Amino acid sequence: DAGITQSPRHKVTETGTPVTLRCHQTENHRYMYWYRQDPGHGLRLIHYSYGVKDTDKGEVSDGYSVSRSKTEDFLLTLESATSSQTSVYFCAIRSPGLASNEQFFGPGTRLTVL
Amino acid sequence: AQTVTQSQPEMSVQEAETVTLSCTYDTSESDYYLFWYKQPPSRQMILVIRQEAYKQQNATENRFSVNFQKAAKSFSLKISDSQLGDAAMYFCAYRRAQGGSEKLVFGKGTKLTVNP
Repeated sequence: DAGITQSPRHKVTETGTPVTLRCHQTENHRYMYWYRQDPGHGLRLIHYSYGVKDTDKGEVSDGYSVSRSKTEDFLLTLESATSSQTSVYFCAIRSPGLASNEQFFGPGTRLTVL
Repeated sequence: AQTVTQSQPEMSVQEAETVTLSCTYDTSESDYYLFWYKQPPSRQMILVIRQEAYKQQNATENRFSVNFQKAAKSFSLKISDSQLGDAAMYFCAYRRAQGGSEKLVFGKGTKLTVNP
């Protein structure tokens, strides 16, 4: 599992409340990603990070912010959750040292916004 | 922008038979990677097989193999001797070779059912 954990694994919240999801990795991987998965859309990139304090937007970044103050943690924040942000969120890592260039995924967080 | 298309939302196969899942992609790049991921009901994303675009030889991993047609931009997955545990969502994904932070671009997935 490449040492990736996500917390919480499940969360139910109300519209307008802030929510922070955490991705934690234990193997000093440089690149970290946040995706969301919705029926009929596959996985879509929200934000990614290429180092501490280095982040950039993905294709569906509106309404989300991220922070990476330590190599091991990549936080995804919904400043004011909306029902359209109900989804399953996946964190992924990639290391330049991996010859396969594949990404490894965390177990996912199911977020429901009522 | 790169796009990945999986034209089969659902497929079914009899146990022990062979099934092929289709994937096409659009890119102007010459060097890239292609992947098939499996997502069982547990939701965990599991890499099944990978293909480097510069390699002409099709990748094989046990019962899983691909048919990579670079000119046609096609990347199909063949599952031989299907097993009940193969039932899952399968996602095709593309990644540019240049740039370390390059994201994966996913297709919308194919749900595979394996009938006993």
